[in-house]
Amino acid sequence: DAGVTQSPTHLIKTRGQQVTLRCSPKSGHDTVSWYQQALGQGPQFIFQYYEEEERQRGNFPDRFSGHQFPNYSSELNVNALLLGDSALYLCASRPPGGRDTGELFFGEGSRLTVL
Amino acid sequence: ELKVEQNPLFLSMQEGKNYTIYCNYSTTSDRLYWYRQDPGKSLESLFVLLSNGAVKQEGRLMASLDTKARLSTLHITAAVHDLSATYFCAVGSYNTDKLIFGTGTRLQVFP
Repeated sequence: DAGVTQSPTHLIKTRGQQVTLRCSPKSGHDTVSWYQQALGQGPQFIFQYYEEEERQRGNFPDRFSGHQFPNYSSELNVNALLLGDSALYLCASRPPGGRDTGELFFGEGSRLTVL
Repeated sequence: ELKVEQNPLFLSMQEGKNYTIYCNYSTTSDRLYWYRQDPGKSLESLFVLLSNGAVKQEGRLMASLDTKARLSTLHITAAVHDLSATYFCAVGSYNTDKLIFGTGTRLQVFP
Protein backbone atom coordinates (compact mmCIF):
# COMPACT_ATOMS: atom_id res chain seq x y z
CA ASP A 1 0.00 0.00 0.00
CA ALA A 2 1.64 3.21 -1.17
CA GLY A 3 1.79 6.04 1.27
CA VAL A 4 1.41 9.71 0.42
CA THR A 5 3.38 10.37 -2.77
CA GLN A 6 4.61 13.73 -3.95
CA SER A 7 6.25 14.96 -7.14
CA PRO A 8 8.66 16.29 -8.09
CA THR A 9 11.05 15.55 -5.25
CA HIS A 10 13.37 18.44 -6.09
CA LEU A 11 13.09 21.41 -8.39
CA ILE A 12 14.80 24.70 -9.04
CA LYS A 13 13.03 27.81 -10.27
CA THR A 14 13.91 31.47 -10.69
CA ARG A 15 12.18 34.46 -9.15
CA GLY A 16 8.92 35.37 -10.83
CA GLN A 17 8.28 31.91 -12.23
CA GLN A 18 5.37 29.67 -11.36
CA VAL A 19 5.49 26.15 -9.93
CA THR A 20 3.05 23.26 -9.55
CA LEU A 21 3.56 20.53 -6.98
CA ARG A 22 1.55 17.31 -6.93
CA CYS A 23 0.32 15.00 -4.22
CA SER A 24 -1.42 11.62 -4.26
CA PRO A 25 -2.92 10.78 -0.88
CA LYS A 26 -2.64 7.43 0.81
CA SER A 27 -5.15 4.91 -0.50
CA GLY A 28 -8.58 5.48 1.01
CA HIS A 29 -7.77 8.99 2.21
CA ASP A 30 -9.99 11.83 1.06
CA THR A 31 -8.58 14.93 2.75
CA VAL A 32 -5.32 16.60 1.77
CA SER A 33 -3.39 19.38 3.48
CA TRP A 34 -0.29 21.25 2.39
CA TYR A 35 2.50 22.58 4.59
CA GLN A 36 5.58 24.69 3.94
CA GLN A 37 8.74 23.95 5.90
CA ALA A 38 11.54 26.48 5.64
CA LEU A 39 15.03 25.33 6.52
CA GLY A 40 15.48 24.92 10.27
CA GLN A 41 11.83 25.60 11.08
CA GLY A 42 8.68 23.67 11.80
CA PRO A 43 6.10 23.16 9.03
CA GLN A 44 3.46 25.84 8.50
CA PHE A 45 -0.06 25.06 7.34
CA ILE A 46 -0.93 26.41 3.90
CA PHE A 47 -4.41 24.99 3.23
CA GLN A 48 -6.61 21.92 3.33
CA TYR A 49 -8.78 20.38 0.60
CA TYR A 50 -11.79 18.14 1.01
CA GLU A 51 -14.45 17.29 -1.57
CA GLU A 52 -12.52 19.33 -4.13
CA GLU A 53 -12.88 22.54 -2.13
CA GLU A 54 -10.48 24.56 -0.03
CA ARG A 55 -11.81 24.17 3.49
CA GLN A 56 -9.26 26.01 5.56
CA ARG A 57 -6.36 28.31 4.84
CA GLY A 58 -3.31 29.42 6.76
CA ASN A 59 -1.61 32.78 6.64
CA PHE A 60 -0.32 32.57 3.05
CA PRO A 61 -0.85 35.08 0.24
CA ASP A 62 -3.08 34.47 -2.77
CA ARG A 63 -0.01 33.53 -4.79
CA PHE A 64 -0.48 30.14 -3.18
CA SER A 65 -3.42 28.27 -4.64
CA GLY A 66 -4.47 24.68 -4.91
CA HIS A 67 -6.80 22.17 -6.36
CA GLN A 68 -8.19 18.78 -5.49
CA PHE A 69 -9.30 16.34 -8.15
CA PRO A 70 -12.13 13.78 -8.04
CA ASN A 71 -9.59 11.02 -7.31
CA TYR A 72 -8.55 13.02 -4.18
CA SER A 73 -5.12 13.92 -5.53
CA SER A 74 -4.10 17.53 -5.15
CA GLU A 75 -1.91 20.26 -6.62
CA LEU A 76 -0.24 23.23 -5.01
CA ASN A 77 0.48 26.18 -7.28
CA VAL A 78 2.71 29.08 -6.39
CA ASN A 79 2.86 32.12 -8.69
CA ALA A 80 5.41 34.91 -8.89
CA LEU A 81 7.99 32.98 -6.92
CA LEU A 82 10.08 34.81 -4.34
CA LEU A 83 13.39 33.77 -2.84
CA GLY A 84 11.54 33.23 0.44
CA ASP A 85 9.40 30.54 -1.13
CA SER A 86 12.38 28.20 -1.07
CA ALA A 87 11.32 25.39 1.26
CA LEU A 88 10.24 21.79 1.63
CA TYR A 89 6.58 21.48 0.72
CA LEU A 90 4.81 18.67 2.50
CA CYS A 91 1.51 17.06 1.67
CA ALA A 92 -0.50 15.28 4.35
CA SER A 93 -3.56 13.10 3.97
CA ARG A 94 -6.25 11.85 6.33
CA PRO A 95 -8.75 9.05 6.00
CA PRO A 96 -12.51 9.43 6.48
CA GLY A 97 -13.07 9.34 10.21
CA GLY A 98 -9.48 10.31 10.75
CA ARG A 99 -10.51 13.14 13.00
CA ASP A 100 -11.52 10.61 15.62
CA THR A 101 -8.09 9.01 15.68
CA GLY A 102 -6.07 12.07 14.78
CA GLU A 103 -4.29 10.17 12.03
CA LEU A 104 -2.39 12.38 9.59
CA PHE A 105 0.19 10.97 7.19
CA PHE A 106 2.89 13.04 5.52
CA GLY A 107 4.57 12.52 2.18
CA GLU A 108 8.31 12.81 1.52
CA GLY A 109 7.95 16.36 0.31
CA SER A 110 8.99 18.47 -2.66
CA ARG A 111 12.05 20.59 -2.11
CA LEU A 112 11.77 23.88 -4.00
CA THR A 113 14.75 26.15 -4.51
CA VAL A 114 14.13 29.64 -5.90
CA LEU A 115 17.17 31.42 -7.35
CA GLU B 1 -2.73 33.24 18.18
CA LEU B 2 -1.71 29.77 19.26
CA LYS B 3 1.99 29.40 19.92
CA VAL B 4 3.90 26.20 20.49
CA GLU B 5 7.27 26.27 22.22
CA GLN B 6 9.70 23.42 22.56
CA ASN B 7 12.71 23.18 24.77
CA PRO B 8 15.45 22.55 24.52
CA LEU B 9 16.07 23.51 20.90
CA PHE B 10 19.26 21.48 20.81
CA LEU B 11 20.09 18.43 22.86
CA SER B 12 23.33 16.54 22.82
CA MET B 13 23.24 13.48 24.99
CA GLN B 14 25.31 10.44 25.67
CA GLU B 15 24.12 6.95 24.82
CA GLY B 16 22.42 5.27 27.73
CA LYS B 17 21.23 8.50 29.33
CA ASN B 18 17.66 9.68 29.89
CA TYR B 19 16.23 13.03 28.96
CA THR B 20 12.94 14.87 28.43
CA ILE B 21 11.81 17.26 25.72
CA TYR B 22 9.10 19.74 26.70
CA CYS B 23 6.33 21.17 24.56
CA ASN B 24 4.25 24.09 25.84
CA TYR B 25 1.33 25.60 23.98
CA SER B 26 -0.54 28.80 24.60
CA THR B 27 -4.25 28.04 24.14
CA THR B 28 -6.63 25.18 24.73
CA SER B 29 -6.28 22.27 22.37
CA ASP B 30 -7.56 18.73 22.34
CA ARG B 31 -4.76 16.83 20.62
CA LEU B 32 -1.01 16.81 20.56
CA TYR B 33 1.26 15.19 17.99
CA TRP B 34 4.89 14.17 18.14
CA TYR B 35 6.84 13.71 14.91
CA ARG B 36 10.38 12.71 14.09
CA GLN B 37 12.25 14.13 11.12
CA ASP B 38 15.59 12.92 9.78
CA PRO B 39 17.67 15.38 7.71
CA GLY B 40 16.12 15.97 4.30
CA LYS B 41 13.27 13.58 5.05
CA SER B 42 9.59 13.87 5.79
CA LEU B 43 7.79 13.68 9.11
CA GLU B 44 7.37 10.32 10.77
CA SER B 45 4.44 10.12 13.16
CA LEU B 46 5.44 8.97 16.66
CA PHE B 47 2.43 9.65 18.86
CA VAL B 48 -1.01 11.22 18.80
CA LEU B 49 -2.30 12.17 22.26
CA LEU B 50 -6.03 12.80 22.35
CA SER B 51 -6.95 13.38 25.98
CA ASN B 52 -5.72 14.82 29.23
CA GLY B 53 -3.46 12.39 31.02
CA ALA B 54 -2.79 10.36 27.89
CA VAL B 55 0.47 8.46 27.95
CA LYS B 56 1.88 6.46 25.06
CA GLN B 57 5.11 4.51 24.79
CA GLU B 58 6.99 3.05 21.86
CA GLY B 59 10.40 1.55 22.47
CA ARG B 60 12.63 4.09 24.21
CA LEU B 61 10.18 6.97 23.73
CA MET B 62 7.27 7.88 25.96
CA ALA B 63 4.94 10.82 25.46
CA SER B 64 2.44 12.34 27.86
CA LEU B 65 -0.12 15.12 27.74
CA ASP B 66 -1.40 17.48 30.44
CA THR B 67 -4.06 19.66 28.82
CA LYS B 68 -4.63 21.69 31.98
CA ALA B 69 -0.98 22.73 32.09
CA ARG B 70 -0.87 22.91 28.27
CA LEU B 71 2.22 20.75 28.38
CA SER B 72 3.40 17.61 26.66
CA THR B 73 6.63 15.76 27.30
CA LEU B 74 8.63 13.32 25.23
CA HIS B 75 10.83 11.21 27.46
CA ILE B 76 13.82 9.37 26.09
CA THR B 77 15.05 6.36 28.02
CA ALA B 78 18.57 4.94 27.58
CA ALA B 79 19.24 6.86 24.38
CA VAL B 80 20.87 5.17 21.39
CA HIS B 81 22.48 6.75 18.33
CA ASP B 82 19.54 5.80 16.10
CA LEU B 83 17.38 8.29 17.98
CA SER B 84 19.41 11.19 16.59
CA ALA B 85 16.92 13.35 14.65
CA THR B 86 14.78 16.46 15.00
CA TYR B 87 11.62 16.03 17.05
CA PHE B 88 8.59 18.23 16.56
CA CYS B 89 5.48 18.58 18.64
CA ALA B 90 2.35 19.96 17.00
CA VAL B 91 -0.99 21.05 18.37
CA GLY B 92 -4.28 20.47 16.66
CA SER B 93 -7.96 20.08 17.35
CA TYR B 94 -10.83 17.86 16.30
CA ASN B 95 -12.42 20.42 14.01
CA THR B 96 -9.40 21.18 11.85
CA ASP B 97 -6.49 19.56 10.06
CA LYS B 98 -4.39 22.64 10.73
CA LEU B 99 -1.49 21.73 12.98
CA ILE B 100 0.65 24.34 14.69
CA PHE B 101 4.19 23.04 14.98
CA GLY B 102 6.84 23.86 17.50
CA THR B 103 10.31 24.94 16.44
CA GLY B 104 11.69 21.44 16.87
CA THR B 105 14.31 19.88 19.12
CA ARG B 106 17.44 18.68 17.41
CA LEU B 107 18.68 15.62 19.25
CA GLN B 108 22.18 14.24 18.84
CA VAL B 109 23.15 11.05 20.67
CA PHE B 110 26.85 10.32 20.92
CA PRO B 111 28.74 7.24 22.22
